[in-house]
Amino acid sequence: DAMVIQNPRYQVTQFGKPVTLSCSQTLNHNVMYWYQQKSSQAPKLLFHYYDKDFNNEADTPDNFQSRRPNTSFCFLDIRSPGLGDAAMYLCATSRARGGGSPLHFGNGTRLTVT
Amino acid sequence: AQSVSQHNHHVILSEAASLELGCNYSYGGTVNLFWYVQYPGQHLQLLLKYFSGDPLVKGIKGFEAEFIKSKFSFNLRKPSVQWSDTAEYFCAVESGGGADGLTFGKGTHLIIQP
Repeated sequence: DAMVIQNPRYQVTQFGKPVTLSCSQTLNHNVMYWYQQKSSQAPKLLFHYYDKDFNNEADTPDNFQSRRPNTSFCFLDIRSPGLGDAAMYLCATSRARGGGSPLHFGNGTRLTVT
Repeated sequence: AQSVSQHNHHVILSEAASLELGCNYSYGGTVNLFWYVQYPGQHLQLLLKYFSGDPLVKGIKGFEAEFIKSKFSFNLRKPSVQWSDTAEYFCAVESGGGADGLTFGKGTHLIIQP
C-alpha cells in the first residue's frame, strides 16, 4: 500500500563519497519534493520537480543534485557528502503545486556520513 | 522569507487531557495552512488543512485547528487526548501560490502518558 517509497531506509556513506537516494511513487503525482531534516529541526526544502521542471531552492548547496527520469522516480545525488549532510532525507509528492494540495511523504532515508 | 514558529518543542500530557499546540507564521499574504503528524516509525501524514472558508477546520482522529488571521496563528486542538496520539506534530505554511513548497515549523513532540 506504500505510495511513496524511499530506498534505502538507512544509508551510510564515507566523507566525500558520492551517494544517491531514491524515491518512487505510485500516485502519478506531478510534483516531487526533497526535504532535508536534521535533528530537532524543521524539514527544509532542497528542491522540487513540477513535472520535468526542476526548481532549486536558493540556499541549497551545489553539492546536492536531483534527477527525475520519469513521473514515478526521483533521485537525490550528494556529490561529496560532508559530516554536516548527515540527516533524514524526505521525499514527498503532491498532485499539484500550491492550492492547498497536500504532500504525501515517504518514510525517509536516514543518511550517516562517517 | 517566511517562517513558522511552534511554541513548544516537547509536551507531556495525561490521557483525557485537553491539547492545544501553538503555531504562528510570519507571511502577511494569502496562505494555506497545514498540520502534519508523524507517529513513531511512520511517515509524515496530513492531519488537517486550511485552504479557505470556515477558519475552524476539523481533521482526522478528533483534531481541529483554528485559523486566526489577525494573530497569524493556526493552533491545533483536541479536547481529550489518547495514548495513541503520541507523535511529532508539524505545522506548515504554503504561500505565494505554492511555488516555494511548504515551510515547516520545528515540530512538537507530544507524549501522552497512560
